[in-house]
Amino acid sequence: KQEVTQIPAALSVPEGENLVLNCSFTDSAIYNLQWFRQDPGKGLTSLLLIQSSQREQTSGRLNASLDKSSGRSTLYIAASQPGDSATYLCAVSLGGATNKLIFGTGTLLAVQP
Amino acid sequence: EPEVTQTPSHQVTQMGQEVILRCVPISNHLYFYWYRQILGQKVEFLVSFYNNEISEKSEIFDDQFSVERPDGSNFTLKIRSTKLEDSAMYFCASSGGPIVEGPSYEQYFGPGTRLTVT
Repeated sequence: KQEVTQIPAALSVPEGENLVLNCSFTDSAIYNLQWFRQDPGKGLTSLLLIQSSQREQTSGRLNASLDKSSGRSTLYIAASQPGDSATYLCAVSLGGATNKLIFGTGTLLAVQP
Repeated sequence: EPEVTQTPSHQVTQMGQEVILRCVPISNHLYFYWYRQILGQKVEFLVSFYNNEISEKSEIFDDQFSVERPDGSNFTLKIRSTKLEDSAMYFCASSGGPIVEGPSYEQYFGPGTRLTVT
């Protein structure tokens, strides 16, 4: 059974710092991996999707990497801003007929001004 | 930019009542999903829907739950007899599938419906 874990559970950094969020999964046979942002009481905003054949994806100040064989992904945020404060979720898909997502517990990020 | 919409944003109901949560997926998407998130817990998959039928459902999705795509735009989740433990945020999501350009299996989520069962 696929399990997704995110470390750390919470992180507080000063504005401007670069940071890394970690995601690990137990079954390396994934189809893709998505990183989401969730603001308190709100929906999920897709940040990046990495296909299983890819090693990384970039969008603005965000860079996500994927190492399928070791069951790990990282989300790198450059030059953090207070507006980046949110919960970051990673989710893996096993593909197949449904492509359902299996989520981690998230990392709560606070960027201090 | 196209987005998934959900109504209502918040629903309060009494135990044993039926509720219908509504979603309008992105118009050219083919795959539709419901997930839920109990306060403080992980987002959990409930059901996926493709080609007018359920393609997969989780253990949570028992006989009290049903989904429907009554027309070309809406996608609904019905809970027949709500329980206290059904209180959660319910998210609808959609993805494009193979005929859509770009990362076609990227799932886009709606803002959620907060269901409170009293």
